[in-house]
Amino acid sequence: GDSVTQMEGPVTLSEEAFLTINCTYTATGYPSLFWYVQYPGEGLQLLLKATKADDKGSNKGFEATYRKETTSFHLEKGSVQVSDSAVYFCARLDRGATNKLIFGTGTLLAVQP
Amino acid sequence: NAGVTQTPKFRVLKTGQSMTLLCAQDMNHEYMYWYRQDPGMGLRLIHYSVGEGTTAKGEVPDGYNVSRLKKQNFLLGLESAAPSQTSVYFCASLAAGVPQGTQYFGPGTRLLVL
Repeated sequence: GDSVTQMEGPVTLSEEAFLTINCTYTATGYPSLFWYVQYPGEGLQLLLKATKADDKGSNKGFEATYRKETTSFHLEKGSVQVSDSAVYFCARLDRGATNKLIFGTGTLLAVQP
Repeated sequence: NAGVTQTPKFRVLKTGQSMTLLCAQDMNHEYMYWYRQDPGMGLRLIHYSVGEGTTAKGEVPDGYNVSRLKKQNFLLGLESAAPSQTSVYFCASLAAGVPQGTQYFGPGTRLLVL
């Protein structure tokens, strides 16, 4: 079935390092893609999204480009901060009219000062 | 405007006990969802609702029931709790008529079943 696969964590980086979290998906067609972030002790919140191929989503210095050739939506940030420490979830919109999301397993990012 | 709220925040149950988790949203959203979050498994959809009075099964519905008697509330029930239902439960809501819209999540309910 349709799925989302993201790199396992934890990912540990020093402050100001470059971040990449890989995400690939399987799907029929071109579903909308999302990155959600979960800060410690909180619920998920949308970080960015892309609704069609070649779109780039961006927010708070994070970017992700919808690449249909490689069915990928990798998350990147040029210079991470300690405050970016969180769990990041890649997700795709399921088919049909219910707007269900299919999530990856999540990647824990720990940024050290 | 509180967004999506969940009660309780934390609960400990004994095996076989029952409980109801409440999700409330004040954004007049049509769609509501219940997920569970487990280590290494991401979020999995339990049940969802596309409008008041309607519910449907998600990916992992066994052992849970839901009701959507009012548009703003979505209840998740455990009739006979099992240790396998130890998890963090998240509710989310979404406005209808917004293509590829964003789901808004509550802060979660941590449930421990002994």
